[in-house]
Amino acid sequence: AQSVTQPDIHITVSEGASLELRCNYSYGATPYLFWYVQSPGQGLQLLLKYFSGDTLVQGIKGFEAEFKRSQSSFNLRKPSVHWSDAAEYFCAVGPRSNDYKLSFGAGTTVTVRA
Amino acid sequence: KAGVTQTPRYLIKTRGQQVTLSCSPISGHRSVSWYQQTPGQGLQFLFEYFSETQRNKGNFPGRFSGRQFSNSRSEMNVSTLELGDSALYLCASSLSGGIQNEQYFGPGTRLTVT
Repeated sequence: AQSVTQPDIHITVSEGASLELRCNYSYGATPYLFWYVQSPGQGLQLLLKYFSGDTLVQGIKGFEAEFKRSQSSFNLRKPSVHWSDAAEYFCAVGPRSNDYKLSFGAGTTVTVRA
Repeated sequence: KAGVTQTPRYLIKTRGQQVTLSCSPISGHRSVSWYQQTPGQGLQFLFEYFSETQRNKGNFPGRFSGRQFSNSRSEMNVSTLELGDSALYLCASSLSGGIQNEQYFGPGTRLTVT
């Protein structure tokens, strides 16, 4: 069965510090991988995605993620967090087909302290 | 260009009633997906429509249904509402369907069932 695990429910980080959000997946084959961000009262916004090729992918807002096949992981990182990065972050996987049927992790809430 | 719009933004219904939610995709987008977001179950895929046809469906009971019109606008309907249907319902559109096309999410409709 497909599953996406985000082990950290809540992370607090100081402004200017680095951030890493973990994501592990269980899937029949290497899926397509995504990270989304949701600010309060908003829908989801795509930060980045991995389909193939370079396993380190760059996204918007200074985020990057690294795909590690051997660990079934797709961790999200940002070198220096800004207060506006406070939000909920979701890892998602989808099949390597035309099916737009994403499975999401439970989300990690990021709090940024001054 | 305008983003994905969802109406209404907030809705309160009573158990046993039915409800219809509306989603207008970004102009030119032909694929519309629906997701349910709850604190307990997280984000779950409901269904996807492309060119007026349901292409994918998640694991939800038949009380949840949807349709798409020729202008790509979509509606979802929930009949015989239950308390557990209280959730944020998110709609997302993409250009031509297929997971390699980015999905753009609307702000959601917050449904409360009392």
